[in-house]
Amino acid sequence: KAGVTQTPRYLIKTRGQQVTLSCSPISGHRSVSWYQQTPGQGLQFLFEYFSETQRNKGNFPGRFSGRQFSNSRSEMNVSTLELGDSALYLCASSLSGDLFSPLHFGNGTRLTVT
Amino acid sequence: GQQVMQIPQYQHVQEGEDFTTYCNSSTTLSNIQWYKQRPGGHPVFLIQLVKSGEVKKQKRLTFQFGEAKKNSSLHITATQTTDVGTYFCAGYSGGSNYKLTFGKGTLLTVNP
Repeated sequence: KAGVTQTPRYLIKTRGQQVTLSCSPISGHRSVSWYQQTPGQGLQFLFEYFSETQRNKGNFPGRFSGRQFSNSRSEMNVSTLELGDSALYLCASSLSGDLFSPLHFGNGTRLTVT
Repeated sequence: GQQVMQIPQYQHVQEGEDFTTYCNSSTTLSNIQWYKQRPGGHPVFLIQLVKSGEVKKQKRLTFQFGEAKKNSSLHITATQTTDVGTYFCAGYSGGSNYKLTFGKGTLLTVNP
C-alpha cells in the first residue's frame, strides 16, 4: 500500500506570494490532518478534514486554508506569505480520524520564504 | 486549550545507557500516542495507550500511561544508535475534538 504522498517536497517563495501544497492520503483513509513543524514550536495543528468537511482548525491566521476533495486528497493554501511561514508542512492521514486512529505522515513539504 | 508538555527537550546518552522521556498534559487524556521522527524524516507511529495505568512493551521500549491519564513516559533500555531521533507524545482530550495535540518532543542522540 502506498504511503501518504506530499508534493512538492521543497518550495522557495518570496514574501507576499501564495502557495498551495498537496497531499494524497493512504488509499481508504478518509481523514487528513495538516501540521506545521518548526524547530522552536514542534508540531502545530493546522486543520483536519473528513469527507470534505473541516472538523477542526488550529490557531493559525486566516491566511492558512485548506480543502479536501471527494477522493480524500487534500490541499492547503497559504496566502500573503511571511518569513515566519518557513517550516516543514506535514500531512497525515488516518482511517477514520477518530481518537484511536494512528496518524500516518507524509514526508512533508519544506517551505522557505525569503 | 489543551497543552502537552514533554521533558527533557534534549538527551544525549552513551550507547548502552537507558533513556526516559516524560509527557504531561494539562487535561485528562482519552488516549496517548507516541511517535518517532528520525533526523530528516517524518513522524512514525509507535504505540497507543488507552487505559489508566496501562503499560506496553516493544522490545527495549516500555510505555506507561499514568493512573490519572494526564501523564505518560517512554523508557528505552540499553540504547542503540538506531534509537536516535525525536520522540513525540500526542494526546486527545476527547469529545468532538479531532485535534491530536503533540508535545514538543525529546531529541535523543546516542554516542557509539
